[in-house]
Amino acid sequence: KAGVTQTPRYLIKTRGQQVTLSCSPISGHRSVSWYQQTPGQGLQFLFEYFSETQRNKGNFPGRFSGRQFSNSRSEMNVSTLELGDSALYLCASSFTGPKGGELFFGEGSRLTVL
Amino acid sequence: AQTVTQSQPEMSVQEAETVTLSCTYDTSESDYYLFWYKQPPSRQMILVIRQEAYKQQNATENRFSVNFQKAAKSFSLKISDSQLGDAAMYFCEAKNSNYQLIWGAGTKLIIKP
Repeated sequence: KAGVTQTPRYLIKTRGQQVTLSCSPISGHRSVSWYQQTPGQGLQFLFEYFSETQRNKGNFPGRFSGRQFSNSRSEMNVSTLELGDSALYLCASSFTGPKGGELFFGEGSRLTVL
Repeated sequence: AQTVTQSQPEMSVQEAETVTLSCTYDTSESDYYLFWYKQPPSRQMILVIRQEAYKQQNATENRFSVNFQKAAKSFSLKISDSQLGDAAMYFCEAKNSNYQLIWGAGTKLIIKP
């Protein structure tokens, strides 16, 4: 069974640009959540989607957005990139919706903003 | 607001010894779940152990066990017979009935050979 796949794995952008990251969950998983991981801030929850609906959102500005498609694949978008957006962006999927279910993580997309 | 606190940014332990990583949380919910995840260097985050708040019995997975003290809102992870492969960042996570996901800042575990 394929794991959670995130693309691209690495990308470099400049300030002011926008970026779209993709996450393909494990087959059958309907919940996808996104996280920003930085050395100073640890793991920060961005948002979670379940059956194409955003169910929860963390405390990030509106420049960070996401969506989920009918096949459960999810994308997140960051507009007007800032230097502070440089981070590892992790995606995780879950079968039951993450209340009690184990999260399965992808390897992440490492974004560098110059 | 719900919070999860891991007060130890870094811990080190001699190989084969036992180490305990601390985690405290703050929630007004009665129905929630607690998790420990492990992130080895340059590798994917994986689940170590989970605990349902309604269960009084402490969860155990081989060398990993938790000390869950609901009244004190404490959820520590004990690793017995530490191995070199246990070296990683360990994150404590809490999930409530509204599917809110709250993470601790992580503890870096160093295993000394």
